[in-house]
Parts: sequence; C-alpha cells; structure tokens
Amino acid sequence: QSALTQPASVSGSPGQSITISCTGTSSDVGSYNLVSWYQHHPGKAPKVMIYEGSKRPSGVSNRFSGSKSGNTASLTISGLQAEDEADYYCCSYAGSSTVVFGGGTRLTVL
Amino acid sequence: QLQLQESGPGLVKPSETLSLTCTVSGGSIRSSSYYWGWIRQPPGKGLEWIGTIYYSGSTYYNPSLKSRVTISVDTSKTQFSLRLSSVTAADTAEYYCASLLYCGGDCWFFDYWGQGTLVTVSS
Repeated sequence: QSALTQPASVSGSPGQSITISCTGTSSDVGSYNLVSWYQHHPGKAPKVMIYEGSKRPSGVSNRFSGSKSGNTASLTISGLQAEDEADYYCCSYAGSSTVVFGGGTRLTVL
Repeated sequence: QLQLQESGPGLVKPSETLSLTCTVSGGSIRSSSYYWGWIRQPPGKGLEWIGTIYYSGSTYYNPSLKSRVTISVDTSKTQFSLRLSSVTAADTAEYYCASLLYCGGDCWFFDYWGQGTLVTVSS
C-alpha cells in the first residue's frame, strides 16, 4: 500500500483557480469512486471538503469541486481566498476496508 | 453531531508501547454507519492511516504497521483505543482519532475528527 501521489505545493492569487492532482493505482483510486479530500490548517483537525470523488458535505463552499479520470483524482478550488491557504490531502478506499492517504499539498495564496 | 477526543500520555520511551484512547460523544459508537479510525501525522510529514475498527470488533490495519498495532473498542464506555508497540522516534507524531462514515459502499470518508494529541517518543 503506497501513498497516493500529490504535488508538494501549488500556489495561486486571490480569485484564481487551482487544481491539485492525486494519482493512485488501479487498486485504489482507479477501482473505486471513493476519493475524499481534506483541508488541514496547522493546529486544527482536518476537515472533509469532498467525498465520493465529487460530492460536497453540507456547509462546504461550492468553490470546491472534485473529479476523477482513471487513476487520478483532482480537487479544484475556484475563486481562491486567503482562507483557503492550507494543506490538502486526498484519501482513497483501497479495498478490504483499508484506506490510503496522499502525501499532501501545501496551497499558498499569493 | 459527533465529537471525538483523544487522551493519553504525551511522552513514551523507545521500545515501549504507545496507548491512546478516543472518547466518542454526540452519537452511538454502535452505529452501523460508522467505523472508527486512527490517523497520525509525523512532524513535517503527511497524514498516515493507522487502522480502523467496527463496533463489532472487526479491525483493519495499515500493512506497514500491522505487526505493531492493536485497535480495540469498548462500547460500554463509548471509547476505542490504539496500542502501538515497540515505538521508536519515527513514531513521534500528532495522533488523530476520527469517525469513518460508511454507507454500504457508497461513501467512505472521515467526517469527524478529534483535535489530535502529540505523542513524542524519547528517553
């Protein structure tokens, strides 16, 4: 079970859009529509932003969206705001009731 | 709304066993919709899934930690616990407990998290 691959960092200016990729394998991301994305501000508990690849929990801004193609899932944040600056992690079901996280991506809002 | 709170020693000696407990409130630990999990984050690194337990006692572990991990549940106390044996400095991390929502195959994500507890392995 290897960690999903995410870029270490991405950046964007306020109002712009950014996309974070999450690459797995045919044993996890590619086999299940069960990718979730978490926003993590230092010192706080992680917060789910997307689940089942593209669904938003109640209360999460519609500026956050998710998609998947093959073994790669993506998180897009549109209309960047300063408060979006955080670490983002993808997570996928990996079969047999196990999960695997990505290595995390640091988002910087310039 | 579920609330989870980790508790346990913040300092563990090398080669000893790390023990943490997560207390669940605001909902039933016996819910068929939930698994209960442990996740950790070493300083400067990413999140790592440690393992998950169902209220029935069924457990699922990260293969890389499986030989050292035991997760148990006490439904009478609405708590679940983590034991990690033979710890080294590499096990120093922020440890989180979380609820994993399960919808019969249609959803599988951690919806509520504890605030985390820092465990340092040092003599």
